[in-house]
Order: sequence, then structure tokens, then C-alpha cells
Amino acid sequence: DSGVTQTPKHLITATGQRVTLRCSPRSGDLSVYWYQQSLDQGLQFLIQYYNGEERAKGNILERFSAQQFPDLHSELNLSSLELGDSALYFCASSVTSGQNEQFFGPGTRLTVL
Amino acid sequence: AQSVTQLGSHVSVSEGALVLLRCNYSSSVPPYLFWYVQYPNQGLQLLLKYTSAATLVKGINGFEAEFKKSETSFHLTKPSAHMSDAAEYFCAVSANTGFQKLVFGTGTRLLVSP
Repeated sequence: DSGVTQTPKHLITATGQRVTLRCSPRSGDLSVYWYQQSLDQGLQFLIQYYNGEERAKGNILERFSAQQFPDLHSELNLSSLELGDSALYFCASSVTSGQNEQFFGPGTRLTVL
Repeated sequence: AQSVTQLGSHVSVSEGALVLLRCNYSSSVPPYLFWYVQYPNQGLQLLLKYTSAATLVKGINGFEAEFKKSETSFHLTKPSAHMSDAAEYFCAVSANTGFQKLVFGTGTRLLVSP
């Protein structure tokens, strides 16, 4: 158990819908990262937050957004869902933005029908 | 920019045999390198990391990796495979300064037969 929690574990929804994935980092970690794992794209970095502020963006679509709240939990919002958005979404956390060791949560499996 | 290449999407070994999973990296700055393992239906777990200290890095579960700058490689090895080692293994690279985005390879699935 990494100490990073993600909810829900599974999510099934339809095209065009909007969903919110939630992540609670390890106690004491200030930085949260979101990754997408799909069969065709592999593991890709989406976005990072540090202490409530967006720190970096990766291959994140404009239909996707995220935020980190004062209690440091983070949410990833996915809207206008398409079939291709079906994937595993991982959250990871680290102590600081410059800390190299990232601890991964168990992931949320999103299925878009 | 950083990237990693993992040679072989699948590697099959017999129980007790040597495990060798290959990773080559490309980085415009001195890299930090990582190996993660993913068991079915689970998240990623850090096996080991190289952060510019010793070039031979020992990790959990008997795995180790050697950083070879001249070969731009960071191959993962284990002397004797166990059935429980069957999983997917990911090599990742990040810059050693500034923002710590991890860039992952495509993964290698390790199959262990009795």
C-alpha cells in the first residue's frame, strides 16, 4: 500500500458525459501528479500540482482539467468523454516538486461506452 | 527532453533463471532513472532508482540495475526468477533538476514458467 488513495476504482459511463476522479496523496506529500495508461499510448503524464498550484502540464486534453484543494487532495475532471478516453488513470504523490520518488495510487479504470 | 526505450514487450524465463530486462535512455541533462513494477490490476510500485550516487543500484525483491552512461543503459536484473516476479515492468526517466515529470517506457511483461 503506497498510501495514495484513488476513488472510484472503476467508472463506466457514456460518451459525452463528464466524470471526476479523486486522489488523496500520502500524508505529508505536497505534490500530486496525474497519469493516463492506455493500450495505445502507454503511460503518459497529464498534469502536476504542487501545494495547490499547477506546476506543469503534459499531454492533457483541453477537455480535461484538474485542481488541488487546500487539504491537498486532487480531482481530475474529464468532460465530453470519447471512447478513446477509456484508460487507467493514476495519481501519484511526492513530498516536494523536486522530490524524485513518486508513489502511485491503485488507479481508476474508466470505461467509456 | 527525455525518453526511454524498453527492448522486448515480453520476456519469458523459467523459475530460477536470470532475469534481464533492458532499458536504454535518452536525456539532454543528467538523468534520474527508475524501475517500476505493476502487478495485474494494481498501481505502480517503485523497485529501484538511480539518482547519480552509486551506479549499481539495489532495489526490492532482489532486483538490481546498473547505470552505464557510456551505453545510455539502465538494465534491470535478478539472479533467480520467482513465479511471483511475473508482472509488467516499466523503466522511467526524469531530469535531475527542476520539475520531476516521469517519462515511461512502453513496459516489458515478464512471464515466469515453472
